[in-house]
Amino acid sequence: DAGVIQSPRHEVTEMGQEVTLRCKPISGHNSLFWYRQTMMRGLELLIYFNNNVPIDDSGMPEDRFSAKMPNASFSTLKIQPSEPRDSAVYFCASSPDDQPQHFGDGTRLSIL
Amino acid sequence: AQTVTQSQPEMSVQEAETVTLSCTYDTSENNYYLFWYKQPPSRQMILVIRQEAYKQQNATENRFSVNFQKAAKSFSLKISDSQLGDTAMYFCAALRIGTGNQFYFGTGTSLTVIP
Repeated sequence: DAGVIQSPRHEVTEMGQEVTLRCKPISGHNSLFWYRQTMMRGLELLIYFNNNVPIDDSGMPEDRFSAKMPNASFSTLKIQPSEPRDSAVYFCASSPDDQPQHFGDGTRLSIL
Repeated sequence: AQTVTQSQPEMSVQEAETVTLSCTYDTSENNYYLFWYKQPPSRQMILVIRQEAYKQQNATENRFSVNFQKAAKSFSLKISDSQLGDTAMYFCAALRIGTGNQFYFGTGTSLTVIP
């Protein structure tokens, strides 16, 4: 079975540009999570969805960040405008009810 | 609020030796699961082991086992016969059952296995 699929694997862009990260969860999983990982802050939960509805977005750092889940098989995390401090590895994870999360391979984002 | 605490930012162990990683959690819930995830240098997050809070028996997966002390809210991971491939960041996590999959992760312990 395919796992959680994230794209792109790497993204390098200039400050001020819009960045869109994509995630395809495992089929049948009804929860989807976006995390950011840095050396300084560790693993931070940004937002999670349950049945396509955002449940907790308290981890979203500021208005420059937005996330959508238009259907059960796709989610995006957008940063506009991007800043150098947004450089990090962004993970998407999914899970069925009351089960452990399955993580994608992450997107390494570098903002110059 | 539920929190998960890993008090050891870094640890090291000699190859073939045994090491224990600590984790404590704070919850008022009775129904929850606990997990250990491993993140090697490849940065993939890999589920290592899980424990249901209602089970008294400690979970075991090959060389990995847990010491689950429910009253003390402690959930340590023991790695026996450490191998070089065990070098990774280890995260402890808790899942509240029936709350829409609300997960809580610890800050991680970086384990280095020394040849």
